[in-house]
Amino acid sequence: GQQVMQIPQYQHVQEGEDFTTYCNSSTTLSNIQWYKQRPGGHPVFLIQLVKSGEVKKQKRLTFQFGEAKKNSSLHITATQTTDVGTYFCAGTPQGGSEKLVFGKGMKLTVNP
Amino acid sequence: KAGVTQTPRYLIKTRGQQVTLSCSPISGHRSVSWYQQTPGQGLQFLFEYFSETQRNKGNFPGRFSGRQFSNSRSEMNVSTLELGDSALYLCASSLGVRGTYEQYFGPGTRLTVT
Repeated sequence: GQQVMQIPQYQHVQEGEDFTTYCNSSTTLSNIQWYKQRPGGHPVFLIQLVKSGEVKKQKRLTFQFGEAKKNSSLHITATQTTDVGTYFCAGTPQGGSEKLVFGKGMKLTVNP
Repeated sequence: KAGVTQTPRYLIKTRGQQVTLSCSPISGHRSVSWYQQTPGQGLQFLFEYFSETQRNKGNFPGRFSGRQFSNSRSEMNVSTLELGDSALYLCASSLGVRGTYEQYFGPGTRLTVT
């Protein structure tokens, strides 16, 4: 089946650092969604990207959809302890029957 | 607007039993999807219901089944429980079919099979 890979699976950063996490698909995607799950919580929708090369910002979070619509990135500036959690990307393969394939998530921990 | 609700929140069952989980979507949402979440496997898609019809199904055995009622509420049933079924079961609702619209997740039902 279609696969969406997230890199890295784990990320540990110092508070205040910037970092980027990636989401790669084996096929072209119609769109990509990002979710955040805090420890002990449930996934919460963050953003959806639809257009090739699209960039969206939410405060310190910047999301980008690749030109080929096969990958996406999430960049966090000046990481805070409130950013802790697992970030999932989910993409819908173009032209296929599968919908919204989730990556396995990127678990972020922050050292205060 | 009230969020997605799931009942029960916690459940302990023994091998071989069956279990039914319930999900009430956000008012106006017609799509309900179910996911199994385990530490090693992330979010595994079980199935999606839209207007009482199953639209998509993940790679789970036939022991996992579901249904959706006319008020969009959904139930998921697991028969002949196995130890490996222990997981957090999440349901998510959306305005339209999964993949096009954002999904709103419920708090989940934590199932433990002993």
